[in-house]
Amino acid sequence: NAGVTQTPKFQVLKTGQSMTLQCAQDMNHEYMSWYRQDPGMGLRLIHYSVGAGITDQGEVPNGYNVSRSTTEDFPLRLLSAAPSQTSVYFCASSRTSGGRTGELFFGEGSRLTVL
Amino acid sequence: GEDVEQSLFLSVREGDSSVINCTYTDSSSTYLYWYKQEPGAGLQLLTYIFSNMDMKQDQRLTVLLNKKDKHLSLRIADTQTGDSAIYFCAGLTGSNTGKLIFGQGTTLQVKP
Repeated sequence: NAGVTQTPKFQVLKTGQSMTLQCAQDMNHEYMSWYRQDPGMGLRLIHYSVGAGITDQGEVPNGYNVSRSTTEDFPLRLLSAAPSQTSVYFCASSRTSGGRTGELFFGEGSRLTVL
Repeated sequence: GEDVEQSLFLSVREGDSSVINCTYTDSSSTYLYWYKQEPGAGLQLLTYIFSNMDMKQDQRLTVLLNKKDKHLSLRIADTQTGDSAIYFCAGLTGSNTGKLIFGQGTTLQVKP
C-alpha cells in the first residue's frame, strides 16, 4: 500500500524561485491537508481540502497556493520562495465520515531549504 | 477554533513510566489523538480517545481524558529506548472536516 506519497523529499531553492510540492494518496480519502513543521512550533496547518474542487486556508496560508482537481492529488505551490519558508512540509489525508474522522495518514515529508 | 498546548521535553530512565500532558480548548472535539514521530519520519497514529470516554488502555499505553479541565495525558508504561521520539497530541476542529490542530510536540528522551 502506497498510502500518502510526497515528492520531492529534499529541495533547495533560492529566494524568489517558485516550486510545487506534490502529494498523492491512494486511499480515496476526501480530506487532504498540508502542514509545515518547525522546531518548537509543532505542526501548523497551511491549507486543506474536503474534496475535489474545494480548498480552504489553515493557520499559515500566506505565500502558498493549493488546488484539488482530483481526489488523489493535492499539490502545494510556493509562489515566490522566502527564507521563512524553510521547513519540513507534510501532506496528510483522512476520511471525513464513516469512522475516526481526523485520523490522519501522513506522507514522509519534504524538507525545503530557501537560501 | 482549537488550540492545543504541550510541554516540550521529557526525560525518563528506561523501565520507568512516562506521562506526557496536553491541554486543549475546543470542548466539541469528538476525537483526540496521539501521534508519534521518529527522527526523519512522518507522524504515525499512536492511539486515540473518543470524547465520551475517560480512559483508554492499549497495551503499554494509557490515555486519560479530563473533559472538565480539557486535559489529555498519555502514559507509557515500562518505557523503552525505542520509545524515544516526539509525541504530538491533536484535536479535531470544525465539523466533519478531518482538520486536526496539533500541539507543539513533546520530545521524549529515554536514558538507558
